[in-house]
Amino acid sequence: AQRVTQPEKLLSVFKGAPVELKCNYSYSGSPELFWYVQYSRQRLQLLLRHISRESIKGFTADLNKGETSFHLKKPFAQEEDSAMYYCALNALGSYIPTFGRGTSLIVHP
Amino acid sequence: NAGVTQTPKFQVLKTGQSMTLQCAQDMNHEYMSWYRQDPGMGLRLIHYSVGAGITDQGEVPNGYNVSRSTTEDFPLRLLSAAPSQTSVYFCASSYVGGQGNNQPQHFGDGTRLSIL
Repeated sequence: AQRVTQPEKLLSVFKGAPVELKCNYSYSGSPELFWYVQYSRQRLQLLLRHISRESIKGFTADLNKGETSFHLKKPFAQEEDSAMYYCALNALGSYIPTFGRGTSLIVHP
Repeated sequence: NAGVTQTPKFQVLKTGQSMTLQCAQDMNHEYMSWYRQDPGMGLRLIHYSVGAGITDQGEVPNGYNVSRSTTEDFPLRLLSAAPSQTSVYFCASSYVGGQGNNQPQHFGDGTRLSIL
């Protein structure tokens, strides 16, 4: 069975500092990986997916199959980035993802 | 498109009561699922459906029941509410894209449920 690990429950940084939210996974096949974001009292929404290889709101994430990681990065954090971030994995043939426990990012002014 | 609509947004129940959380989507998505969100536990899958008439259990199915009589609707029933079921419940839907690629989940606004 697949597993997604987000080792940090809380990440606290100051505005303008670099941010890296860690995501590690265990899965024997080729995964499809996503990052979702939930702003305060809002619904979860897609932030990034690894096959798109794009930057959204300044965030990027690269799939590292050797390290089985999909860390989310942003060079300069903004206060509006404060939110809960979830990493999710879809196994081959499964269209219901497995989510990590989430990391709460707080960006201080 | 309204996307995924959940009702009610808030509900307070007494222990032992039953209720149904409604979820509807208007995107003709095949896949629908229910998650509960608890502090420190993230999102945990309760039940899911891969199409009308087909449902299956997720990680934490006990105390919950689902049915999928139509593509649009996927209600979640609490059979006899317990304080441990106090949580925020999210419904989500998705579809299979071209070449079998997974498509992102579309979430509802959630239902905040308190069991006294």
